[in-house]
Amino acid sequence: DTEVTQTPKHLVMGMTNKKSLKCEQHMGHRAMYWYKQKAKKPPELMFVYSYEKLSINESVPSRFSPECPNSSLLNLHLHALQPEDSALYLCASSLPGTGGMGQYFGPGTRLTVT
Amino acid sequence: QQQVKQSPQSLIVQKGGISIINCAYENTAFDYFPWYQQFPGKGPALLIAIRPDVSEKKEGRFTISFNKSAKQFSLHIMDSQPGDSATYFCAASRAYGGSQGNLIFGKGTKLSVKP
Repeated sequence: DTEVTQTPKHLVMGMTNKKSLKCEQHMGHRAMYWYKQKAKKPPELMFVYSYEKLSINESVPSRFSPECPNSSLLNLHLHALQPEDSALYLCASSLPGTGGMGQYFGPGTRLTVT
Repeated sequence: QQQVKQSPQSLIVQKGGISIINCAYENTAFDYFPWYQQFPGKGPALLIAIRPDVSEKKEGRFTISFNKSAKQFSLHIMDSQPGDSATYFCAASRAYGGSQGNLIFGKGTKLSVKP
């Protein structure tokens, strides 16, 4: 099973709202990632968790707050977002210590900030 | 040093033809080169990947050719089908780079296969 699931599929939120994106995998992967993808662009890395600890934060604004409650779950908490944050948010997972090797992506959450 | 250059930006191929997408990298520390296929509104799907110890890898209609000395690799899609119409991203990373070995993506190629 190489499935990464993400909820919700679509999310519309105002600039004052607080919402969360969720990601789940059951492949035994201990590295999990959040990416942001704008239209017609490649995915941009936001955060990396390795063994449930944040190992990389690619200078992401504090209005994005990641959380890894356990080895299967990854959350992205959103607060006071800007319209330019509208994008497809992708979760991925892989074996830890394998760098980019074998990263599996979820279907993404389409976020619209109004 | 971290860039991966991908071409062409878009590609139109007739059904049954061969689609070829090229990528070039600069960082010689990269040793893992995957290709991802992405349909509109979906996440990227790992299609095929190669390590530099081989010059070619084939999986069904998809083949990666790898030229280590030129620091180039390419994806060939044989007998292209309309269902192959998608955006293709090449990427490069260090296979065992730990937190430092993250994927560096090319800018993508939008492939359209005409029936």
